[in-house]
Amino acid sequence: NAGVTQTPKFQVLKTGQSMTLQCAQDMNHEYMSWYRQDPGMGLRLIHYSVGAGITDQGEVPNGYNVSRSTTEDFPLRLLSAAPSQTSVYFCASSYSATGEAFFGQGTRLTVV
Amino acid sequence: RKEVEQDPGPFNVPEGATVAFNCTYSNSASQSFFWYRQDCRKEPKLLMSVYSSGNEDGRFTAQLNRASQYISLLIRDSKLSDSATYLCVVDSGAGSYQLTFGKGTKLSVIP
Repeated sequence: NAGVTQTPKFQVLKTGQSMTLQCAQDMNHEYMSWYRQDPGMGLRLIHYSVGAGITDQGEVPNGYNVSRSTTEDFPLRLLSAAPSQTSVYFCASSYSATGEAFFGQGTRLTVV
Repeated sequence: RKEVEQDPGPFNVPEGATVAFNCTYSNSASQSFFWYRQDCRKEPKLLMSVYSSGNEDGRFTAQLNRASQYISLLIRDSKLSDSATYLCVVDSGAGSYQLTFGKGTKLSVIP
């Protein structure tokens, strides 16, 4: 049972570089989301999706893009990395809008 | 902005103690409430959902007071393995798939 798989687990970027954080789930969940977690800030919602082809912005979407071409995958793209995007990123999926969220193990990103 | 407020702690308690965490939320339209547990440098995991009538799971009891917009978690007979950060989580209401997380309350259970 893989659940929610995030890659990579660790990444160091230089300012201005772009990259894609991968997220895949094998539970056939319609709902997926991306959060960032910073010290003293808790988890904040970046983008979310309620099904393939449907995405929407969360609380802190600036500097990030998402797409949802399949039910399984929900990649997060950093367009031009900035030091303010240094954070731990979590992907999550749920079987319903109000059900349990299952999280991936996180990606620790450092932008220098 | 919809808020979820928690006492950040840390709560340092001896094994066997009873400890209570509180949480308040600002969005009166919220319908779903949860407690998640997060171990150091790990992902959050669901501890329990919180229902209006209150619910219990072993040593853990969750209560919801909609009128006061207040959620609580009680842990009885604390174990060393209960040491973690406890996150209060609330939805945005109207079936919206947007969860708001509190900043968490850190618990350390001491031998």
